[in-house]
Amino acid sequence: KAGVTQTPRYLIKTRGQQVTLSCSPISGHRSVSWYQQTPGQGLQFLFEYFSETQRNKGNFPGRFSGRQFSNSRSEMNVSTLELGDSALYLCASSFGTTLTDTQYFGPGTRLTVL
Amino acid sequence: GENVGLHLPTLSVQEGDNSIINCAYSNSASDYFIWYKQESGKGPQFIIDIRSNMDKRQGQRVTVLLNKTVKHLSLQIAATQPGDSAVYFCAENPPNTGNQFYFGTGTSLTVIP
Repeated sequence: KAGVTQTPRYLIKTRGQQVTLSCSPISGHRSVSWYQQTPGQGLQFLFEYFSETQRNKGNFPGRFSGRQFSNSRSEMNVSTLELGDSALYLCASSFGTTLTDTQYFGPGTRLTVL
Repeated sequence: GENVGLHLPTLSVQEGDNSIINCAYSNSASDYFIWYKQESGKGPQFIIDIRSNMDKRQGQRVTVLLNKTVKHLSLQIAATQPGDSAVYFCAENPPNTGNQFYFGTGTSLTVIP
């Protein structure tokens, strides 16, 4: 079956702009989690959506937001971009019903903020 | 966030040798741990997991060991192959965080043919 897809794969933005990233989970998966990956901080959890509701949230400022649609596709938005937001943004999907449901990651969106 | 760290940032091994990747986690109450493999240009891929009520779990060519006394995880890869070259992360799930995982910074494994 098709894996997790993320669009776009690469983005270049300037400071102050906003950006929207998209994630399409594996068919049948209802949970989508978002992570930020940087060389300095590693992988950091942003938030998780399950059945269109935010279920968990990491320690990121309110500039980072997300949503999930009825088909489980998810988007995350970053407003007022800062240089430090440059990162690989990964989403992962799972059935989301138990903690041990395997999370499958997409290839990520590489965001560069100039 | 939680401080999940790795002892060695890089590791080089000869093809066919066994590899051991270590990880220190910070929350003694964490109940669930996962090892991931990330190849260049790809997202992390689940390798193996272990719950805190176990000390050891084996998969295909991989074994995870958990030492709760010193809050230490290790991933052993048997007969390492060139395709094992990647960055390996451990992740812990602290209590009361739902599906939130805290990841280590990763160890880069290079397999020398």
